[in-house]
Amino acid sequence: DGGITQSPKYLFRKEGQNVTLSCEQNLNHDAMYWYRQDPGQGLRLIYYSQIVNDFQKGDIAEGYSVSREKKESFPLTVTSAQKNPTAFYLCASSILRRGANDEQFFGPGTRLTVL
Amino acid sequence: QQPVQSPQAVILREGEDAVINCSSSKALYSVHWYRQKHGEAPVFLMILLKGGEQKGHEKISASFNEKKQQSSLYLTASQLSYSGTYFCGTEAAGRRALTFGSGTRLQVQP
Repeated sequence: DGGITQSPKYLFRKEGQNVTLSCEQNLNHDAMYWYRQDPGQGLRLIYYSQIVNDFQKGDIAEGYSVSREKKESFPLTVTSAQKNPTAFYLCASSILRRGANDEQFFGPGTRLTVL
Repeated sequence: QQPVQSPQAVILREGEDAVINCSSSKALYSVHWYRQKHGEAPVFLMILLKGGEQKGHEKISASFNEKKQQSSLYLTASQLSYSGTYFCGTEAAGRRALTFGSGTRLQVQP
């Protein structure tokens, strides 16, 4: 089955540690996205990538880093510079061509708690 | 700047109708609508493209007024399964990514 996987589902880290969240898709999508969601809030864009080895900052990129070495993978690193990293992190992917099929498919999310 | 959604929350009885609005200050290429159940990933409902179209999906439909940069989601004869938080995501010219509103929490009661 095609889809997006994120691992782990729950992640606990100590303050000051970097942590990497995994996102893999087998939908052959060119575009991939990372969002952060806080309780009762909407989705805020962290980074997005339209092609391998290229990515753009979203609205809240500070304290985060990404890489896109393979089309199917877009890992997110939450660094110690992120002041309030506890949140629900969602990865998504889509085709790059604009049009009626340009929906974003979301992974199940990773809930990160920094102690 | 994120789009503004209204209302923030609404409670319905089964069978009642609801309208959720999404308004942007930017010129939009498209508007996406998603529904999210608690603790789960958002699920795609529909896309509306520039051109002022209206679309429908069973008893859920939406419209996009390109001149006003506004979209509305219409839920008719609501069912218990419609409960959740509804988000609009807007794509503006110049950025190939969505900006999401803060959501509308919909609760359908028996």
